Amino acid sequence: GAGVSQSPSNKVTEKGKDVELRCDPISGHTALYWYRQSLGQGLEFLIYFQGNSAPDKSGLPSDRFSAERTGGSVSTLTIQRTQQEDSAVYLCASSLNPGLVFGPGELFFGEGSRLTVL
Amino acid sequence: GESVGLHLPTLSVQEGDNSIINCAYSNSASDYFIWYKQESGKGPQFIIDIRSNMDKRQGQRVTVLLNKTVKHLSLQIAATQPGDSAVYFCAEIPYAGGTSYGKLTFGQGTILTVHP
Repeated sequence: GAGVSQSPSNKVTEKGKDVELRCDPISGHTALYWYRQSLGQGLEFLIYFQGNSAPDKSGLPSDRFSAERTGGSVSTLTIQRTQQEDSAVYLCASSLNPGLVFGPGELFFGEGSRLTVL
Repeated sequence: GESVGLHLPTLSVQEGDNSIINCAYSNSASDYFIWYKQESGKGPQFIIDIRSNMDKRQGQRVTVLLNKTVKHLSLQIAATQPGDSAVYFCAEIPYAGGTSYGKLTFGQGTILTVHP
């Protein structure tokens, strides 16, 4: 597609349920990122993929959070046993290559998946 | 811990005025800075970036200034338009000894409102 696509755009779930959030990066982008944006907060890094590998998953808040990427393309962020504090907008971003040079190398963000845990 | 933060959470300006959005950072190892614009319901959109070996960079109607002495970053928007109304975030990446990837530390954001 033309941009980063995320689904669902909105998800309401009950505490304790598992949720899966999907990201389709821009075609050809080798690097993929997940960020979280809580209400009134900035964006927090969660995990970085280069191809199907995740060399940096340091931002995942707990072992209830996991992510995978297949075929160097689609990624899924899974949250198990959701808690109310997991409520946030989960943003996916991709870039053409992981190495940032001055200029492009910019991240292209999707519109996010808004998760509400009741 | 080290963080990137903003001085002003909100800024209201009249259409046609110039806007200045400020950002303070505390990580002296920061090497690369980016400004993002986020409109309601959308993801952040790249505006302009600057590397630590520069103190000024200009784009279309936007200028980013970097003062490493006081660890301060600013975004200037010329002739602000209603379409510029959004939340603006600064973000930084520390030097990683080579190529870095997009592990950004974001500031809290400034809400810019442009009145017609």
